[in-house]
Order: sequence, then C-alpha cells, then structure tokens
Amino acid sequence: AQTVTQSQPEMSVQEAETVTLSCTYDTSENNYYLFWYKQPPSRQMILVIRQEAYKQQNATENRFSVNFQKAAKSFSLKISDSQLGDTAMYFCAFMKLTDNNNDMRFGAGTRLTVKP
Amino acid sequence: NAGVTQTPKFRILKIGQSMTLQCTQDMNHNYMYWYRQDPGMGLKLIYYSVGAGITDKGEVPNGYNVSRSTTEDFPLRLELAAPSQTSVYFCASSEPVMDTIYFGEGSWLTVV
Repeated sequence: AQTVTQSQPEMSVQEAETVTLSCTYDTSENNYYLFWYKQPPSRQMILVIRQEAYKQQNATENRFSVNFQKAAKSFSLKISDSQLGDTAMYFCAFMKLTDNNNDMRFGAGTRLTVKP
Repeated sequence: NAGVTQTPKFRILKIGQSMTLQCTQDMNHNYMYWYRQDPGMGLKLIYYSVGAGITDKGEVPNGYNVSRSTTEDFPLRLELAAPSQTSVYFCASSEPVMDTIYFGEGSWLTVV
C-alpha cells in the first residue's frame, strides 16, 4: 500500500523568503506521479507542481520547485520569494502510473502561513 | 458558481443506522471521488468514478457503497454505521488531467 507522510503540520515564512515543505512516501511501485496541491479556504485543490517518477530532472514552475529523491522516497517543495497569496494548506500526493487508476493518496497536509 | 455541493454538512448517527451523503457537481466533470479525513491524517480515498455507470474502490471502501447514475451525482451510502466511520467526508470532482481537483465543503459525521 502506498502512504504519504508530511511531517510538518504547520509552517510559517516571512514574505519574500524561501520555505521548504517536506514529503516522504512509501511504495513498491517504480512508475508513479507525485503532486503538490495547494488548498486555499475556497477548498479547491489547485495543482502546484507534478513530477513523473521516471524523470530524473526536478520539476519547476515559476517560484515553485521540487527536490525529488527517488531512492530516498522524498519529494519536498521549495517556494521561493514567498507571497501572501501562498498562504494555504499544501498537500503532497502520490498516484500510481497504471491504466484507469485514479487512486490518489494524500498526505495530512502542511498549513503554510506567509507573514507580511 | 456552485462547484461541488455536499449535503448534509453535519450529521449524528447512531450505531447501526444508515444514511446517504449526497454530492453533486455542475462542472460536467467525468471524475468524481469520495474521501474521508480523520483528525491529523491525510485524505483517504473511499470510492471513485471515472464516468456515469462506472465506480471503483479506493483505499478504504469497507462499510460504504456508491452509485453514479448521472455525470452530476455521486452519492455515498453508509450501511450499518460504526464509530470508526466518524470522520469528515469530502466529495470531489476533476477532469482526467487532474490539474485541479474541486472539493466540496465537507460533511462532518459522528457515529455514537
């Protein structure tokens, strides 16, 4: 069974600084996707960044980047130049790469507060 | 913009009772999901559906049933409620690319 662990229930960062959110996962699969989702109070889960396990290069999306360590089963999210609008819950998620499988496993979430 | 609507928001059940959590979405999404979230834990997938007439078990399906007769509706049925089913339940929908998952506001269920 796949499990996703986020060990930081809450974090805070000053505006314009950099913060890293941790995520580890457990799987015996070799092919899978990893995701970071942002959940503002509106309850929407917005995709921040996605990483395919077969790609060695770390994914980046503007101010967001990941440090994907496949052997260590670690998938941390770095937010650079933090903005007030980054305040939200962040969920790390895992999904196997198989046909018709949408069994996405989420971590417990990290509540990030960006302080002015 | 209604998005994903869940009812009821709060419910107290006695052990052994049954109930249905309703979920409807107005975005014409093919994919719908039911998750439960226990305190301090991540979301756990109960059931999901990739389209009308198609449902599949997730990580924790025992004690639950679903149906998907229309694209819009995805009700979750609890049979013979047990205290272990005390949780917050979230319905969600998305398109297959899963760039954005739209969640309902949650249904707080207590079984006593």
